[in-house]
Amino acid sequence: GDSVTQTEGLVTLTEGLPVMLNCTYQSTYSPFLFWYVQHLNEAPKLLLKSFTDNKRPEHQGFHATLHKSSSSFHLQKSSAQLSDSALYYCALGSATGNTGKLIFGLGTTLQVQP
Amino acid sequence: NAGVIQTPRHKVTGKGQEATLWCEPISGHSAVFWYRQTIVQGLEFLTYFRNQAPIDDSGMPKERFSAQMPNQSHSTLKIQSTQPQDSAVYLCASSLGDRVYEQYFGPGTRLTVL
Repeated sequence: GDSVTQTEGLVTLTEGLPVMLNCTYQSTYSPFLFWYVQHLNEAPKLLLKSFTDNKRPEHQGFHATLHKSSSSFHLQKSSAQLSDSALYYCALGSATGNTGKLIFGLGTTLQVQP
Repeated sequence: NAGVIQTPRHKVTGKGQEATLWCEPISGHSAVFWYRQTIVQGLEFLTYFRNQAPIDDSGMPKERFSAQMPNQSHSTLKIQSTQPQDSAVYLCASSLGDRVYEQYFGPGTRLTVL
């Protein structure tokens, strides 16, 4: 079945350094990929989605590129900010049937230190 | 736009008791989703309604869990004979019918089973 893997449970880095959070997936068909972000005591919110008319999806300085050859959708940002500290989920949605069901990875907690 | 509303925000039940969780989706959203969030399992899909009709309940435990959507303005998740392993944050999300993967999450109900 479909699955999403986020290898890092916790990423700690210093403000101003680049961010890269890993996401790989397994799917029978070419799925849609998403990044959701959840700040402390808040609800998860959509950050990025993989289908944006051939443009690289970008939001709040974050970007991600879907690489079908390696089944990856890593999240990147050139310079981390303190406010980026949050829990980040990579998620997969089936491209067939438009089921609506999202399959989430276990999440990566990003801690940005001064 | 009040966002997705979930009540109660916290619920404590004794083992074997029933728990009913409520969700009010964003007005105009035709798709409603239920997820369960735990530290160990992350975000797990439970069930999904579209235009009030059940579409996918593949994540629902077959016993004790049930969900309904009696009208377009609310959905309920009922857990009968609650067990300590049911303790989790239960999240409701809604989306537009043509953007089912762009889901707006509510704040969640934290269920604690003693």
